[in-house]
Amino acid sequence: EVQLVQSGAEVKKPGESLKISCKGSGHNLINSWIGWVRQMPGKGLEWMGIIYLGDSDTRYSPSFLGQLTISADKSISAAYLQWSSLRASDSAMYYCAAIQGDLVDGFHIWGQGTLVTVSS
Amino acid sequence: SYVLTQSPAVSVAPGKTARIPCGGDNIGDKTVHWYQQKPGQAPVAVIYYDTDRPSGIPERFSGSNSGDTATLTISRVEAGDEADYYCQVWDSDRGHLVFGGGTKMTVL
Repeated sequence: EVQLVQSGAEVKKPGESLKISCKGSGHNLINSWIGWVRQMPGKGLEWMGIIYLGDSDTRYSPSFLGQLTISADKSISAAYLQWSSLRASDSAMYYCAAIQGDLVDGFHIWGQGTLVTVSS
Repeated sequence: SYVLTQSPAVSVAPGKTARIPCGGDNIGDKTVHWYQQKPGQAPVAVIYYDTDRPSGIPERFSGSNSGDTATLTISRVEAGDEADYYCQVWDSDRGHLVFGGGTKMTVL
């Protein structure tokens, strides 16, 4: 059974950098897209961006372009979400999810989420 | 950008049928997926490709998509169906993935 395992909760100060991870297990995800989804407290799902593990082709939501970086390491079926300078407004739950096929396909697998808290 | 519109909330009595619409310009020309999210949990797909149920999802869950509205239908609603429901498409024109704002379903 394929699973996506995300890194643990983080508490950071404004201005600090952060990189969270999402690793696939139980199946080779090299032909999959891994997307990142933000959920702020009490709010809905927001698509941030998506990366193809096979060649690191990356697409960003216009709302998040320039605010963060999505990367991948296909050798370990992992995707990453990185901030260079966090803000309090980045406090949220972040989910990764996999599309095993074309981008019109839905997210077949979700990670458990990584809670990021940014506070001085 | 492409926008998916969902009603914020719907209430339904146990045993009745819930219909959760998702509106979008010519959404019938797109492929719609639906996700269920219960409090404190990650989302789970309940409908793929407009009408298909993933393995393990009860037959009570069904989907349709035509014109400007896609609809998730939950028959014989149970207390355990209480959750937030999100529709989602890939907007190939702009190369963006889009979620609806979500509908909170309350079972009375």
